[in-house]
Amino acid sequence: QTVVTQVPSFSVSPGGTVTLTCGLSSGSVSTSSYPSWYQQTPGQAPRTLIYNTNTRSSGVPDRFSGSILGNKAALTITGAQADDESDYYCVVYMGSGIWVFGGGTRVTVL
Amino acid sequence: EVQLVESGGGLVQPGGSLRLSCAASGFAVGTHYMTWVRQAPGKGLEWVSVISSGGSTYYTDSVKDRFTISRDNSKNTLYLQMNSLRAEDTAVYHCARGRDYYDTSPHYWGQGTLVTVSS
Repeated sequence: QTVVTQVPSFSVSPGGTVTLTCGLSSGSVSTSSYPSWYQQTPGQAPRTLIYNTNTRSSGVPDRFSGSILGNKAALTITGAQADDESDYYCVVYMGSGIWVFGGGTRVTVL
Repeated sequence: EVQLVESGGGLVQPGGSLRLSCAASGFAVGTHYMTWVRQAPGKGLEWVSVISSGGSTYYTDSVKDRFTISRDNSKNTLYLQMNSLRAEDTAVYHCARGRDYYDTSPHYWGQGTLVTVSS
């Protein structure tokens, strides 16, 4: 079974830029995978940041952007702030009605 | 405003059954794709199942033949019937709705209900 891969953790300085990626153990993530990105803080429900690769959800600051980089989906945080410290998950459409989440990336702002 | 409120979680013995509910408000459950996503303690999100507006259902392999997703349009409620429960099913279960009538991904989320499978 194909696994969706994310780097487990990343650190970024306040005001800095970080790019999180979301790949497949076999194959490529493309716009046809309709990748979405979610932010989750402990004890809270996930919040949808990006859908359909690069569309920001309502109310999401424009420092969050989505794209395809090579064969992976990417979430870039430009000008990171302290309250961006969270877990970030991608989800990818595998076809036949099935979606698969990545393992998540914990972002630390320090 | 889209609101989703899960209930029905609790402690159940291995091999037992539980039915989760997700009460929706602000929209009709029968007109959107509705999804269940779970998160084991300290672990990541796991997509579990989705039901389409037309009633088609899809499951992740680990719950096939054990879990059943359904909805009651008159009660505007989504369900997840979970049978033959295992320790590895222990998780917070979130229901979610697609962004619009055609979106099959989880977009709007409920807060979740905790299921603990233990003897």
